[in-house]
Amino acid sequence: GENVEQHPSTLSVQEGDSAVIKCTYSDSASNYFPWYKQELGKGPQLIIDIRSNVGEKKDQRIAVTLNKTAKHFSLHITETQPEDSAVYFCAPPSGGSYIPTFGRGTSLIVHP
Amino acid sequence: DSGVTQTPKHLITATGQRVTLRCSPRSGDLSVYWYQQSLDQGLQFLIQYYNGEERAKGNILERFSAQQFPDLHSELNLSSLELGDSALYFCASSVGSGGASEQYFGPGTRLTVT
Repeated sequence: GENVEQHPSTLSVQEGDSAVIKCTYSDSASNYFPWYKQELGKGPQLIIDIRSNVGEKKDQRIAVTLNKTAKHFSLHITETQPEDSAVYFCAPPSGGSYIPTFGRGTSLIVHP
Repeated sequence: DSGVTQTPKHLITATGQRVTLRCSPRSGDLSVYWYQQSLDQGLQFLIQYYNGEERAKGNILERFSAQQFPDLHSELNLSSLELGDSALYFCASSVGSGGASEQYFGPGTRLTVT
């Protein structure tokens, strides 16, 4: 199955700073790379995803970059705001079985 | 609001008991996924159904079972409950059957086993 690791486990930044979370995976057949945001008391919500035929995707203040050779992809948040405070998960499914595998999560804290 | 509904929101029960969690997917979605989220294990995939049939299985215990009905809602049955089963249980739905589909999560059911 897929082995997924996320770093860092906790990230504390000042409002307006940038934040970067990295996800490494093991299955070279993976072709879909999503990031989910989970706010306290809620279910995870997809915020951005990328497929293996592109290297970068941007949506306003968030972006995802993919390095298939090194088997990692990263979430970038610019101009962070207090409402960005949440737990972020990467979840690349294994290429063969398509079983979703979530990372352990990164707790992002944005200080006003 | 994701469009996925789960009932009940909270459930408190005793060890050895059996409970049923219910999930209604977004309109038009054929896949339902069940996850367990605990502090020490993170978000664990349990099982997926697509259009009424089991599609993929994760680390689901034999004491747990699920099904998807013709109207596409799904139920997760947990039996012989143990203290360690206390967790948040989420269901998610997607249009497609593969893992490379955007998943929409419900608000979850918090299960407490005493």
